[in-house]
Amino acid sequence: GESVGLHLPTLSVQEGDNSIINCAYSNSASDYFIWYKQESGKGPQFIIDIRSNMDKRQGQRVTVLLNKTVKHLSLQIAATQPGDSAVYFCAETSQGMLTFGGGTRLMVKP
Amino acid sequence: DGGITQSPKYLFRKEGQNVTLSCEQNLNHDAMYWYRQDPGQGLRLIYYSQIVNDFQKGDIAEGYSVSREKKESFPLTVTSAQKNPTAFYLCASSLGTPRRSGNTIYFGEGSWLTVV
Repeated sequence: GESVGLHLPTLSVQEGDNSIINCAYSNSASDYFIWYKQESGKGPQFIIDIRSNMDKRQGQRVTVLLNKTVKHLSLQIAATQPGDSAVYFCAETSQGMLTFGGGTRLMVKP
Repeated sequence: DGGITQSPKYLFRKEGQNVTLSCEQNLNHDAMYWYRQDPGQGLRLIYYSQIVNDFQKGDIAEGYSVSREKKESFPLTVTSAQKNPTAFYLCASSLGTPRRSGNTIYFGEGSWLTVV
C-alpha cells in the first residue's frame, strides 16, 4: 500500500534552536496531514494539521509546511525546549483513513 | 474533562487467555479506533467503528475482536489466537467517519499488554 516515511529517525538539537522534522509521503491522493507528538509511554498528542489546499499553517511555536509537488511535509518547532523531546509522527489521510510514518525522535540538549 | 480513557494501563496475560482492554470516550465522537504500536515502530490499525453496532477490520485484525454496543465505548479483546500480543495498544476517536478526510483523530493514553 501507500506509505508515509520519515527521513531522520533521530534529531538532536540544542535548547533554543529551531527544529525541523521531515516526512515524505507517497500517496498523491493524500488530502489531509497531521503531526503528532508522543512522549514515552503515552498516547500520541495532536500538534497541528494541514489540508492539501494549503502549503503552510502556523500554530504556537510550530509550523507545518506542505510541498505537494515533491510530496513532502515538515514540522518546524521554534525555540525548541526540553519539553519538546519526544517522538514525532506524521500521518496522512486518503479517504479518511490515517497512515502513520515510523516516527522521528527529537532530543533536546540543554 | 473530556477525553478518551483507556484501562487498565498495564495488563499481563498468560498463554491461552483472552483479555479485554477498555476504551471510553466522552467527546461524543462517532468513530472509534484501535491501534497497535510495537517498540520503535509506527501505529497499525486493528479495528475501527464508524457507528454503534458496526465495525470494520483494519490491517492487523487477526486474533482480535471488538464490540460497539454504545457510542462511548469500544472494548478490544485480545484472544489466544493472537500469537504475539505483547505491545502498546492505543484507542482513538474522531468526530466524523474515517472516510471523511479532515476528521482529526485523538488518542487515549494507551495500555501496555505483556504475555507472561
